This record gives sequence, structure tokens and C-alpha cells, in this order.
Amino acid sequence: TAGITQAPTSQILAAGRSMTLRCTQDMRHNAMYWYRQDLGLGLRLIHYSNTAGTTGKGEVPDGYSVSRANTDDFPLTLASAVPSQTSVYFCASSPQGTGANVLTFGAGSRLTVL
Amino acid sequence: AQTVTQSQPEMSVQEAETVTLSCTYDTSESDYYLFWYKQPPSRQMILVIRQEAYKQQNATENRFSVNFQKAAKSFSLKISDSQLGDAAMYFCARGRGGNTPLVFGKGTRLSVIA
Repeated sequence: TAGITQAPTSQILAAGRSMTLRCTQDMRHNAMYWYRQDLGLGLRLIHYSNTAGTTGKGEVPDGYSVSRANTDDFPLTLASAVPSQTSVYFCASSPQGTGANVLTFGAGSRLTVL
Repeated sequence: AQTVTQSQPEMSVQEAETVTLSCTYDTSESDYYLFWYKQPPSRQMILVIRQEAYKQQNATENRFSVNFQKAAKSFSLKISDSQLGDAAMYFCARGRGGNTPLVFGKGTRLSVIA
């Protein structure tokens, strides 16, 4: 089934350790996004990429980095995790043209930082 | 920052009844898009309905319809003939077109009572 694959589904991480959340899409969408979901705060944008080779900062980028080496992959890295980064992370993508702005989401990655 | 506000953290509705979820937004753009996403307990984000701001006609998708009041910057979701499967978190979101990221509200948790 076409869509977005996120890995891992769930992870417990010690504070100070690094972690990369993986995101792969097979729809050839130009734009990709990382959001974090926290209770009472909704979804907040971390980083985004409008096309391969470009990235941009969202609302809550501190402590996170991304890369977009090709169209399909958009990994999110936490260089040194802190407990406040405990959250559910969603990767999403959107096409150009008439479907623009319609996001397709992955299933999410639940990260717990202890 | 341009925001999306969902003033009802929680709502409940009797099965087969109608419920309306509220959403207001802030934007300086004349052309933009509005969305409602549903997140059931499975955590998957599912697009419910999409509205282009330049269209005066309210979007509908089966039992789901919106009341789009552009001057008031209001975008409410009406669910008719509510079903148990409608129980979920509902997020309102705004986009500016192209591949600009969506801005989400904090969500409304809907319970459906049998």
C-alpha cells in the first residue's frame, strides 16, 4: 500500500543519547514535514522540506535536525535527547498541484526520553 | 504567529444525533485552505474534509459538512447521524497553498454515547 512508513513505532531512550526517526514515502510527494503531538498542544511543526535538498524550520525546531538527500526520505535526528522531547512524532507529505496542502501522514513514532 | 483555535477541548454526542465542532483561525492571506483531520485511537491521522477559501460553497463529505464563514474566519465541522466510529480527536488546520506547512489547532476530543 502506497504511503508513508515511519520507524520505529515506539522507542524508549535515555536522556543524552542520540536518535534518528526514519520516514520514507513512496508517493513521490515533493514536500515532507515533521510534527510532534503533545496532549493539549495539538500538532506542532518541527521541520519541513519543500523539495529534495532544501529544509526549513518550523515552530519548535530546537534540539532537532533533518536532511532531505532525496525525494523519498526525510529523517529526523535528536542529537542529545531530553525528557521534554517525549512525544509522538508524525511524518507527513504533500504533493504539488491541486493536491497541495493535503497532507498524508505516517502512523507516528512514540518516543519516551527518560 | 498565525493561529488556529479550537475552543472545545472535549465534546460528546448521542449516537445518531448531530454535533458541531468549532474552529476559528487567523490569517492575512486571501487565498488559503482549511482542513479537518480525524485521529481515532489507532493514532492514524485521517483527512475528513477540505475547503478552499475562494469557494463560497461549503464542502461536504457524506455525513460531514462544514460551515465556512470567511469574514468571521470561522470553520466549523458538523457531523450528522453520529456513529460510534466517529469517536476520535478532531483537528482543524489551515494552509496557505503550495507546499506551505499546515498550522493545526489543539484538537477537540469527541465522544459518542450509545
